[in-house]
Amino acid sequence: DSGVTQTPKHLITATGQRVTLRCSPRSGDLSVYWYQQSLDQGLQFLIQYYNGEERAKGNILERFSAQQFPDLHSELNLSSLELGDSALYFCASSAGTGAGELFFGEGSRLTVL
Amino acid sequence: AQSVTQPDIHITVSEGASLELRCNYSYGATPYLFWYVQSPGQGLQLLLKYFSGDTLVQGIKGFEAEFKRSQSSFNLRKPSVHWSDAAEYFCAVGGVDTGNQFYFGTGTSLTVIP
Repeated sequence: DSGVTQTPKHLITATGQRVTLRCSPRSGDLSVYWYQQSLDQGLQFLIQYYNGEERAKGNILERFSAQQFPDLHSELNLSSLELGDSALYFCASSAGTGAGELFFGEGSRLTVL
Repeated sequence: AQSVTQPDIHITVSEGASLELRCNYSYGATPYLFWYVQSPGQGLQLLLKYFSGDTLVQGIKGFEAEFKRSQSSFNLRKPSVHWSDAAEYFCAVGGVDTGNQFYFGTGTSLTVIP
């Protein structure tokens, strides 16, 4: 158990809809990272937050947004969903802002029909 | 630009045989290097990491990796593979120069034959 909790574990929705994925980082970790894992793209970095502020942005679509709340949990919002958004979305946390060890949650599997 | 290459998409080994998974990286300064393992339906678990010092690092589950700066490589090894080692393995690089981002390879899928 990494200590990182993601909900929901599975989500099935239709194209055009909006979903929210939630992540609770490991106790004491201030950084949260979101990754998208699909069969054809591998593990793609989306965005990083540190103590409530956006720190780094990767290949995140404009239809996607994220935030980190004062209690350090994070949410990834995916809107106007397309079939191609079907993927496994991972949250990871680390203690600081540096490239130290990442602790991954078990992921949220999103299926868009 | 920073990147990680795992040349082998899929590897099959017999149980009890030795294993080496290759990882090459591109990075401007001294990298932080990681190997993660992902079992089916699970998140990624850290096997081992290299930050500095001894270039041969030991990890969990009997794995080790060697950092070779001259070859820009960080290959993962295990002397005797167990059936439970069947999984997806990811190499990653990070560091101050990457703006605190981690770059992952595309992964190597390991199949273990009884």
